[in-house]
Amino acid sequence: SQQGEEDPQALSIQEGENATMNCSYKTSINNLQWYRQNSGRGLVHLILIRSNEREKHSGRLRVTLDTSKKSSSLLITASRAADTASYFCATVANDYKLSFGAGTTVTVRA
Amino acid sequence: GAVVSQHPSRVICKSGTSVKIECRSLDFQATTMFWYRQFPKQSLMLMATSNEGSKATYEQGVEKDKFLINHASLTLSTLTVTSAHPEDSSFYICSADRGEREQYFGPGTRLTVT
Repeated sequence: SQQGEEDPQALSIQEGENATMNCSYKTSINNLQWYRQNSGRGLVHLILIRSNEREKHSGRLRVTLDTSKKSSSLLITASRAADTASYFCATVANDYKLSFGAGTTVTVRA
Repeated sequence: GAVVSQHPSRVICKSGTSVKIECRSLDFQATTMFWYRQFPKQSLMLMATSNEGSKATYEQGVEKDKFLINHASLTLSTLTVTSAHPEDSSFYICSADRGEREQYFGPGTRLTVT
């Protein structure tokens, strides 16, 4: 079942700008993961943040997690045209299954 | 490492026929494989969890007789869509877990039923 809600649904930014997207979920989690999907392709794992972590960085990516608000955010800094893709959050509970959010489509304009 | 392939990448079949999609872990042994489907501009929905040597576990609302899953080896799982209909047209994605509770995704298979 899908438990994550993401906003915005779509985001259009200029190259060099930052992109921020949010994910909210409903139940307790073990960890939360962010994925990227280019049009018509498979998923690429970006970053995993555990329930006891509040912030994590990986290159130009910054992820935050607020378990009290059941929400997470993904920030992409200094965006590039190659960052154009759909981004999904996925929560993992104790059953270790991934439950995906609806996704945010990001378009980076050159 | 941790490469997962799917075959075919695209398939077109006629209504009423069956089509098989393969998911392979190329450089690791997958204790568990997962099958998802994704409709255009929508999220991934988990269909079933496949463990090697045992029956697949299907999510609520997924017909096990329509979507046959076989996980015959630690590197191969197959999804067969039986008696396909146009509403089965979708993007099917598999993932594989090598025991570290992290899923590695295949590139997906685009199924079109005419």
